[in-house]
Amino acid sequence: AQSVTQPDIHITVSEGASLELRCNYSYGATPYLFWYVQSPGQGLQLLLKYFSGDTLVQGIKGFEAEFKRSQSSFNLRKPSVHWSDAAEYFCAVGAGTGTASKLTFGTGTRLQVTL
Amino acid sequence: ETGVTQSPTHLIKTRGQQVTLRCSSQSGHNTVSWYQQALGQGPQFIFQYYREEENGRGNFPPRFSGLQFPNYSSELNVNALELDDSALYLCASSLGTGGAYNEQFFGPGTRLTVL
Repeated sequence: AQSVTQPDIHITVSEGASLELRCNYSYGATPYLFWYVQSPGQGLQLLLKYFSGDTLVQGIKGFEAEFKRSQSSFNLRKPSVHWSDAAEYFCAVGAGTGTASKLTFGTGTRLQVTL
Repeated sequence: ETGVTQSPTHLIKTRGQQVTLRCSSQSGHNTVSWYQQALGQGPQFIFQYYREEENGRGNFPPRFSGLQFPNYSSELNVNALELDDSALYLCASSLGTGGAYNEQFFGPGTRLTVL
């Protein structure tokens, strides 16, 4: 069965600093990987996804993630964090096919941004 | 185009009761998924509906059931509520046959408290 580990429960960065959120996955086949963001009182929003091809994936809001098969990782990065990036970030791995596919989420990393 | 909406926002029930949560999908979306998010955890997949048929289920007992209607709305029903059912319930809709691999649009969730 697939699983996702987000080792950092809580991270604090200063506005303008760079950010890297860690994600490790376990899945027997080629993984479909996702990063979602959840702001307080809001639903989850898709930041980016990786299915195949270029291992460096660009997403919305200036985020990017790099798939490293050898390390089973899909870390999320942003060169310069803005105060509005404070939120909960979830990494997820997809399993199954077509309409029977489903996502398995990690436990999330809460990002705090100091001014 | 309206987003995904859920009702009610908050709900308090007692153990043993039954509850119905409602979701209105984004217009035209033919797939809806429900997730349970316990406090401090990532969302856990409950089940998915495609064109009004259940198509994929997570590790949840049969007392969790659902419906999808032709007008894109959906219901999650939980019978015989237990204290551990207290959580944020998220609905997500998407378009196409790619299931969870299509971009899912999440509602803000219903916070259920079981006393």
